Amino acid sequence: ETGVTQSPTHLIKTRGQQVTLRCSSQSGHNTVSWYQQALGQGPQFIFQYYREEENGRGNFPPRFSGLQFPNYSSELNVNALELDDSALYLCASSLGQGANTEAFFGQGTRLTVV
Amino acid sequence: GEDVEQSLFLSVREGDSSVINCTYTDSSSTYLYWYKQEPGAGLQLLTYIFSNMDMKQDQRLTVLLNKKDKHLSLRIADTQTGDSAIYFCAESVKGSNYQLIWGAGTKLIIKP
Repeated sequence: ETGVTQSPTHLIKTRGQQVTLRCSSQSGHNTVSWYQQALGQGPQFIFQYYREEENGRGNFPPRFSGLQFPNYSSELNVNALELDDSALYLCASSLGQGANTEAFFGQGTRLTVV
Repeated sequence: GEDVEQSLFLSVREGDSSVINCTYTDSSSTYLYWYKQEPGAGLQLLTYIFSNMDMKQDQRLTVLLNKKDKHLSLRIADTQTGDSAIYFCAESVKGSNYQLIWGAGTKLIIKP
């Protein structure tokens, strides 16, 4: 077990709705990254937060937004949900942003948009 | 653009060695990683290699990197049923805030 927890584990939403996914980092970790993993594919980088500021963003529209709190926990918000947003959303925490720092992943939130 | 490719499936007999291959396109990659994903579980980092190395060994795992051909492989010696999982190759690319670019994953199937 990595110490990274995500909630909820599963979620069903209707197209057009908004959703908030939550992630608690491993103790002491100041960097959180979010990924979208569609069925049968590898994860796609959404964005990264470092000390409460967005530190990098992948190729996702502005309706995907996030927050990092002073305790380094994080939220991913998705507005105007589309059917293609159905995926496993993974959060990873690490100490620092360097490529040689290990990122620990949570078990993910399975989002289904109907 | 960046791209990481892997075969979708690999089937091996228990006790044999498994070799999972990956190719990538970005020559500026700094680190290359192998992650394991079991059903219902998150991604677990198995090992990683810096781009100026050509081999790394860690117990049953051996990583080989051919930077000229942009080819990465993961060898699992004495494959066990517990090794059944999906294995992802990923690269971190300098100049992109160290975001990871992932392959689609190789499902390792163990035959008794």
